[in-house]
Order: sequence, then C-alpha cells, then structure tokens
Amino acid sequence: AQSVTQLDSQVPVFEEAPVELRCNYSSSVSVYLFWYVQYPNQGLQLLLKYLSGSTLVKGINGFEAEFNKSQTSFHLRKPSVHISDTAEYFCAVSDTGRRALTFGSGTRLQVQP
Amino acid sequence: GAGVSQSPSNKVTEKGKDVELRCDPISGHTALYWYRQRLGQGLEFLIYFQGNSAPDKSGLPSDRFSAERTGESVSTLTIQRTQQEDSAVYLCASSLDGSSYNEQFFGPGTRLTVL
Repeated sequence: AQSVTQLDSQVPVFEEAPVELRCNYSSSVSVYLFWYVQYPNQGLQLLLKYLSGSTLVKGINGFEAEFNKSQTSFHLRKPSVHISDTAEYFCAVSDTGRRALTFGSGTRLQVQP
Repeated sequence: GAGVSQSPSNKVTEKGKDVELRCDPISGHTALYWYRQRLGQGLEFLIYFQGNSAPDKSGLPSDRFSAERTGESVSTLTIQRTQQEDSAVYLCASSLDGSSYNEQFFGPGTRLTVL
C-alpha cells in the first residue's frame, strides 16, 4: 500500500524568502509523484510531476521538486516566494497498478509581507 | 475549454437524508475519480471510472456510498442516510485515459454539511 507524509502542516515564511515543503512517500513499486496546489476558494491544480528521468523537476510559478529514491522523498522548493503563493500544497503518488492518487495531508504555506 | 464542473457547490442536509452530487468531466476524458476532503486533511480516494470497465470502488467508506457514470460523461455520487461524519468537500477529477502518469483535472468541489 502507498502512503504519503507531509510533515509540516503549516509553513509561515516572509515574502522573497526561500521555502521547502517536505514530502515523503512509501511504496513497494515504482511511483509517479505529483504536487498539487489549492489556492483559497479554488480547485486543485497541478504544479509539477515526476514520471522518470531527471530527478529535478521544474513546474509552474517558479517551483521545482527533487525526487530522491533512496530517501523516498519529493520535496518542493522555491527560491523566492510571493504573497500570491499563499495556498495549500498537496503531495500525491500513484503507480502503474493504482490509477487513483494517494494524497498527503497538505501543507499550508502562509507568505507574510 | 471548459473544465470539470460540479453541482451543487454547497449542500446542507439533515442527518438521515439522502444526497446526490453531480460531476461533469472534461469532454473526451475517459477516466473519472471521486475524492473526499475532510477539514484539515488530504484527499481520500472514493471511486474511479474508466470507460466501460467495472469501476474501482475500493475507496468507498460504507455501503451508504454509491456512484454511477453514464458512458463517458456525467457521474453522480449518492450518499444514503447521511451522517455527520460525511460532512466534507467532495471533489471530482477527470483525466484523459486513466493512465497513472496523466494529470488529473479537478472540479471546484461540493461542500456537504450534515446537520
């Protein structure tokens, strides 16, 4: 069975500071990894995904994530955040045998001026 | 083009009543998923439809929950004899062909409150 752990439920950060949102997963098979973002009063949208190949994945809005197989992690980073990045961020995993996504509990990023 | 739409956006019901939630996927998407998001938690998978294949119902929490899909279009999620613990946001998503690597496109959700 798959599981996803997002250790930080909330991350407060000042504008223009760097941020890292942590995600660890467990699975017995090869996985596909995703980060989704949910802005206030909006639906989820895909930030980026890792399928195979280069372990550094770049997404929209300046975000990137690095897949680390040995540490079973897929942390999300941004070098300089904006107020508009305030949102809930969800890490998710799927594999070839399971079509549905398994989500973490989410991390609320609060960017302060 | 149009995204995934869901209706109603909000539903308040009394304990014991039945509710129906509707999802219109993106046209041409053969895969459709229902998830539940309880307050402060991540999304829980409920059910998955892919074309004419038998649905994957492994995430349904009890036999009070059921879902149908008409061909490759509209889906309805029905909750019978609602309980307070059913209060949550119910999200629908669709993807092109159900491959695990394809992006799922999410609707805005239906917020269900059971009094």
